[in-house]
Amino acid sequence: QSALTQPRSVSGSPGQSGTISCTGTSSDVGGYNYVSWYQQHPGKAPKLIIYDVSKRPSGVPDRFSGSKSGNTASLTISGLQAEDEADYYCCSYAGSLYIFGTGTKVTVL
Amino acid sequence: QVQLQESGPGLVKPSETLSLACEISGVSISSHKWWHWVRQPPGKGLEWIGEIYHSGSTNYNPSLKSRVTISVDKSNNQFSLKLSSVTAADTAVYYCATNQAANFGFDIWGQGAVVTVSS
Repeated sequence: QSALTQPRSVSGSPGQSGTISCTGTSSDVGGYNYVSWYQQHPGKAPKLIIYDVSKRPSGVPDRFSGSKSGNTASLTISGLQAEDEADYYCCSYAGSLYIFGTGTKVTVL
Repeated sequence: QVQLQESGPGLVKPSETLSLACEISGVSISSHKWWHWVRQPPGKGLEWIGEIYHSGSTNYNPSLKSRVTISVDKSNNQFSLKLSSVTAADTAVYYCATNQAANFGFDIWGQGAVVTVSS
């Protein structure tokens, strides 16, 4: 099982929107509605921001949203803020195992 | 609230076995949830290692399966990771995690344990 494919970096100015893609296969992203997204600041543990493709845990701002089409999931950050600058990872359930994405560095210009 | 805390040696010699424990507070390990290990090599991405249910059922990453053992210690409300025959490539921050409110998302993480493999 190979890591899910994410763009290396995404950048935008404050207030702009940014979208991160996460491409897998029909055995993982395309086969289950169990894609999650994590935000990780340097030196910190990852934080869950989206689960089950599009659900937000309590306390996560609604500017974070998730979707999926076929074998590709997406995370959209609407209205980028300085504190959104971090690494982001997708993760998919793949039937008795989980596969993480390669990671995307989001830069707020 | 649920909290996780990793513990174990920070330095392991090549070819030896890495051993870490994850102490759970705020909930019983026998709650109907899965308990996971995830690692992150320096400067690299996250890798799922495996999971265990309180009954002892396990699932492992196929790429590590031959070297990994995850076990439950109900008396101490913790679970453990053993990774055998380690090499420098196993140097990483090791996290324990669980899915409490999100069935297939890791919503609770430990702070991470740095493990270096070196002679």
